[in-house]
Amino acid sequence: NAGVTQTPKFRVLKTGQSMTLLCAQDMNHEYMYWYRQDPGMGLRLIHYSVGEGTTAKGEVPDGYNVSRLKKQNFLLGLESAAPSQTSVYFCASSHLSDTRNTIYFGEGSWLTVV
Amino acid sequence: GQNIDQPTEMTATEGAIVQINCTYQTSGFNGLFWYQQHAGEAPTFLSYNVLDGLEEKGRFSSFLSRSKGYSYLLLKELQMKDSASYLCAVPPRNSGYSTLTFGKGTMLLVSP
Repeated sequence: NAGVTQTPKFRVLKTGQSMTLLCAQDMNHEYMYWYRQDPGMGLRLIHYSVGEGTTAKGEVPDGYNVSRLKKQNFLLGLESAAPSQTSVYFCASSHLSDTRNTIYFGEGSWLTVV
Repeated sequence: GQNIDQPTEMTATEGAIVQINCTYQTSGFNGLFWYQQHAGEAPTFLSYNVLDGLEEKGRFSSFLSRSKGYSYLLLKELQMKDSASYLCAVPPRNSGYSTLTFGKGTMLLVSP
């Protein structure tokens, strides 16, 4: 049972480079999220999606774009990476019919921008 | 946004009991979550409270007072493996309850 899978797990980028973080979930969840986690800042929501073809901005969306072309996948893009985007990125998902909206996280992607 | 406050760090000894507090803004409340996160790993769900009172689940219990905007996580019979960060989270106001806002987490260190 894979749950939420993120790739890559580790990546080093040069300033100005672009990259895409891939997230896949096999739980048929409607909602998907991208969070970043930084020391002293906690988990902060970047973008989220409440269904295939829809996305919405979270607390810290600047510098990121997302796409949800398929229900099971949620992609996070960095068009021009900056050192301030050095962080741990967590993808997560939850089920629409779960009244608690329990969120399940992937294992994280460590990104360093130099 | 939703202001969530929890202590930054706590220490305790193996076998002891520890209480981790969390306060939040009360307007638009729709439940409070506790997650556990070990270093270098993903957060995992611990508990959910939507009504006042204590919810017990093995060694872990979670308490909620909606009128006071206050919750705590109680860990009994502490074990070394309980050393982790504990995150309090609530849905942000006017979010449609489809997202969660997390506190900065409380790092718990359990010593022998």
